[in-house]
Amino acid sequence: EDQVTQSPEALRLQEGESSSLNCSYTVSGLRGLFWYRQDPGKGPEFLFTLYSAGEEKEKERLKATLTKKESFLHITAPKPEDSATYLCAVQPPDNYGQNFVFGPGTRLSVLP
Amino acid sequence: GAVVSQHPSWVICKSGTSVKIECRSLDFQATTMFWYRQFPKQSLMLMATSNEGSKATYEQGVEKDKFLINHASLTLSTLTVTSAHPEDSSFYICSARRQRNTEAFFGQGTRLTVV
Repeated sequence: EDQVTQSPEALRLQEGESSSLNCSYTVSGLRGLFWYRQDPGKGPEFLFTLYSAGEEKEKERLKATLTKKESFLHITAPKPEDSATYLCAVQPPDNYGQNFVFGPGTRLSVLP
Repeated sequence: GAVVSQHPSWVICKSGTSVKIECRSLDFQATTMFWYRQFPKQSLMLMATSNEGSKATYEQGVEKDKFLINHASLTLSTLTVTSAHPEDSSFYICSARRQRNTEAFFGQGTRLTVV
């Protein structure tokens, strides 16, 4: 069964304290890995799509990277407004590109 | 950008009644739309996948007669919760995707409370 895990489950950072979130997957033949941010009571907001190992994407304080078995979301000098749950999802190939498999998420709290 | 609008954002209904939730892609045509359910502090649970003009594919354990999904056009999908009961109270979220293997964009979610 395809599995997506995320670590840590929760992370508390001081403002300005850089860190990384991990998304590991066992899907073979990955067709895409996606990062989302979700605020409480809202739908997830799309951040990045990665397709191949070695690929990197950046947006403001966030940078996403991809290897063959995992992805990292690096947060540089975070601010309190970066507090949210960060979800990763993978697109496996065997079901005709239909269903994303979501990880459980990492709850990030950035303290001022 | 790609905007998905979900309506209503919250609804309270009486037990035994039906509730319809709409999901619209405002600035793109969505070949596939997804419906999720989310419990507090948990990740998204996929309920069903729908392609325009065809029947939805439901995940195991999701009652298709209770959660009716219609994807009548490339910009609109609806989820109807029939004969709602308190245990159906939850946060329902839709997403839409232009084509296979690309990112999906999510609506803002609907908080359903059945009393």
